[in-house]
Amino acid sequence: QLQLQESGPGLVKPSETLSLTCTVSGGSISGSSYYWGWIRQPPGKGLEWIGSIHYSGSTHHNPSLKSRVTISVDTSKNQISLKLNSVTAADTAVYYCGAYLFAFDVWGQGTMVTVSS
Amino acid sequence: QSVLTQPPSVSAAPGQRVTISCSGSSSNIDNKYVCWYQQLPGTAPKLLIYENNKRPSGIPDRFSGSKSGTSATLGITGLQTGDEADYYCGTWDSSLSAVVFGGGTTLTVL
Repeated sequence: QLQLQESGPGLVKPSETLSLTCTVSGGSISGSSYYWGWIRQPPGKGLEWIGSIHYSGSTHHNPSLKSRVTISVDTSKNQISLKLNSVTAADTAVYYCGAYLFAFDVWGQGTMVTVSS
Repeated sequence: QSVLTQPPSVSAAPGQRVTISCSGSSSNIDNKYVCWYQQLPGTAPKLLIYENNKRPSGIPDRFSGSKSGTSATLGITGLQTGDEADYYCGTWDSSLSAVVFGGGTTLTVL
């Protein structure tokens, strides 16, 4: 059974880069039909898609975040990563990774990231 | 402001039926599959419905989905207190080239 686990710092300073990793277990990223994505949820608010990547390297990004986002895949470690640069308090959120086929079928438990000095 | 519009809240009594609407446009719902997610308090979202009306394994048939034109609807019958959660619709928007979500609807089972 596919499982996803996010990891990374829980606190990031303003203007710095937020870096998160999602480790996939129970299946291989390579050769999978899934797109692997990142979604975030600010406290008390709704879901916002950040972007998705296929193991082949094909990516899609939220236009509102595209200039600050890098999503990559490491097939040797079965991981995907997210980098969001020049963060502000508005980037404070729970960050989820998910496996997307026709919808986000599988979600990680999420990790809270706070942007504060 | 979300691309997909949902009512902020709905409520109904245990055992009753409730519907949650999701309104979009020709660039998203009208031409794309819609999915629905349930987010119980303090947990990650869970997929309830995909491809407009299909249920993943393990999702009871009390949950149903439908779509007509630029709108989609999630139906829940035989309401239980355990159904109290936030519900989100989602789809692909071809104009934005982006996955989009509704703003979410909080279901209260009175």
